[in-house]
Formats: sequence, C-alpha cells, structure tokens
Amino acid sequence: GESVGLHLPTLSVQEGDNSIINCAYSNSASDYFIWYKQESGKGPQFIIDIRSNMDKRQGQRVTVLLNKTVKHLSLQIAATQPGDSAVYFCAENRPGGSYIPTFGRGTSLIVHP
Amino acid sequence: ETGVTQSPTHLIKTRGQQVTLRCSSQSGHNTVSWYQQALGQGPQFIFQYYREEENGRGNFPPRFSGLQFPNYSSELNVNALELDDSALYLCASSGGQRVEGYTFGSGTRLTVV
Repeated sequence: GESVGLHLPTLSVQEGDNSIINCAYSNSASDYFIWYKQESGKGPQFIIDIRSNMDKRQGQRVTVLLNKTVKHLSLQIAATQPGDSAVYFCAENRPGGSYIPTFGRGTSLIVHP
Repeated sequence: ETGVTQSPTHLIKTRGQQVTLRCSSQSGHNTVSWYQQALGQGPQFIFQYYREEENGRGNFPPRFSGLQFPNYSSELNVNALELDDSALYLCASSGGQRVEGYTFGSGTRLTVV
C-alpha cells in the first residue's frame, strides 16, 4: 500500500505488502534526516538515516529516499510485518551548532495479519 | 551497555505544582536532550545539555529548567504546572553533540489535573 499524500496520519496495509510512508521537511538547509519508529509505551527508536548528499539509502527491509528539490522524504518498508505496526516519524537536523533533530507529526502504520 | 532510563514512568500532579523528572544517560554518552510529546504529536525539543551546560533550547517558557550532573544524568524541572503540560517527556542521550546514536528512553507520562 502507498500513502496517498503528505501528512497522512494513518496507513493500513496487509501483512506482506510493501509500505511507503511520506514526510515533508521544512528547512532546505537541513543536512541530515532520520526515520524513527515509536511503539506504544516506548520512546522513538532509530530505523535509518540519510545525509543530504545522498538520495537513497537502504537498510534491512527499509529504504529511505530523499528528494531535496521538493523537500520530501519517504520510508519504504518491504514485506511489512505485524511487528512493524507503530508510529513512524521523520526528523530533520539543521546545520550550525548542536545536533538537535526536529520531528514531524508522524504516521501511524497498522499492519493487518 | 545500559540504555537510557527515565523515572518515574508515570506521574500525576495538580495544576500549580512543581515536578522533577530524571534521566540516566546511556553509558559513554555525555549529551542529554529533553523532548515533550503531546498525544498524537511528534516530540518537541525542550533543551539539550552537553557536559553540564545548556547547549540549546526550544520554544519553551523559563518554568521549564534542567540540570546535568557530572555523571551526565539529567533532570527536567517544571514549575507552576499547567494542564497543557500533560504529555510524555522523553530523554535522549548521545555521545558528543552528534545526533547519530541518539538513544531515547521510554519516557515519563505526566498528567496534570
């Protein structure tokens, strides 16, 4: 399943499908981007990151795509599993001084068995 | 290697009271950041401490204050609590001032009544 637009609060998919979660970031000067997964009752957990000099990075079952022209990030999860159900946040880090990630609103991913 | 631990896990306070939340950073980490996460929202940056000094602050009033101790553990203090302060308070630690390796605790759920 594919999210139908930016800032979609909930994405429902079937187990085994590929998921795509989108995110718009606000600052064109941001140089580092991170995707976090937050399960109920837990803090955000690092999934994957990408620097602004790249447009794609792959991890285990996850891929992050960066389009700086339109300030857009996406997280692709292959073969989505019920354990992937969580809220996913993108975060941008703005250059200059300390490294402090700024979080977006988040997307809730629900995976149906 | 221990992770980030926060205490207490849950807390109920009355409007106007003061509260102190605690965070033990991950072993080897000397930077601690605090975030407020309202229900259904992404974490919002409160402030960061690096080697016992405040190293950046978000858009929060002065009644939000903090400390970092020589062992790099940290406290978040909130005075004159308001109903809108009800949220999940997250602590993240990292080694140096870099966002890579940012590790979050599970948070303290504060309810103000």
